[in-house]
Amino acid sequence: TQLLEQSPQFLSIQEGENLTVYCNSSSVFSSLQWYRQEPGEGPVLLVTVVTGGEVKKLKRLTFQFGDARKDSSLHITAAQPGDTGLYLCAGVRDTNTGFQKLVFGTGTRLLVSP
Amino acid sequence: EAQVTQNPRYLITVTGKKLTVTCSQNMNHEYMSWYRQDPGLGLRQIYYSMNVEVTDKGDVPEGYKVSRKEKRNFPLILESPSPNQTSLYFCASSFKTWGTGELFFGEGSRLTVL
Repeated sequence: TQLLEQSPQFLSIQEGENLTVYCNSSSVFSSLQWYRQEPGEGPVLLVTVVTGGEVKKLKRLTFQFGDARKDSSLHITAAQPGDTGLYLCAGVRDTNTGFQKLVFGTGTRLLVSP
Repeated sequence: EAQVTQNPRYLITVTGKKLTVTCSQNMNHEYMSWYRQDPGLGLRQIYYSMNVEVTDKGDVPEGYKVSRKEKRNFPLILESPSPNQTSLYFCASSFKTWGTGELFFGEGSRLTVL
């Protein structure tokens, strides 16, 4: 069972356009991370959001954690070719054993053309 | 330079021929993990280790083995590879015991089983 669904799965846009990627779940997460993966490399952490409703900005990228801590969004303003990559959300979930677990989303592949 | 190193980066093998993918990290992290990445499925955890000699199954452990005899190394072993194990594999480490902090990934190992 995939706990974190991302949409869209693929996105191809022109340089300068805005876009939003969504990460949704029916489960509550204690925190949520966003990673970006470029071709031939491993994912790299962009941000961690912890509080429901929290908004974090990283240059042209804006990350929001849903009020109920079940979902998150990534908005990119004026996309550039350097933003091209696979974006992965990852939620930290409390398990019934009292421990925490990191669960990755299905991924959104973004292509920004010049 | 802080890094996670995986080898080999690319491997083509045949069904049933045992292979090992090595992983080494130089950040003194206690937590290490193996993931496989398949299109549309994001990253799925195979095995993880919270410390030396402490390993546990992730979400998709069938057909894989691991060992953690030293803190820096966490090899992934495929005793009898099958074509459904064709995938992109990532090793990751984290300073947080449960891997819920920032994950540092290797560059990936692309495995093809014929």
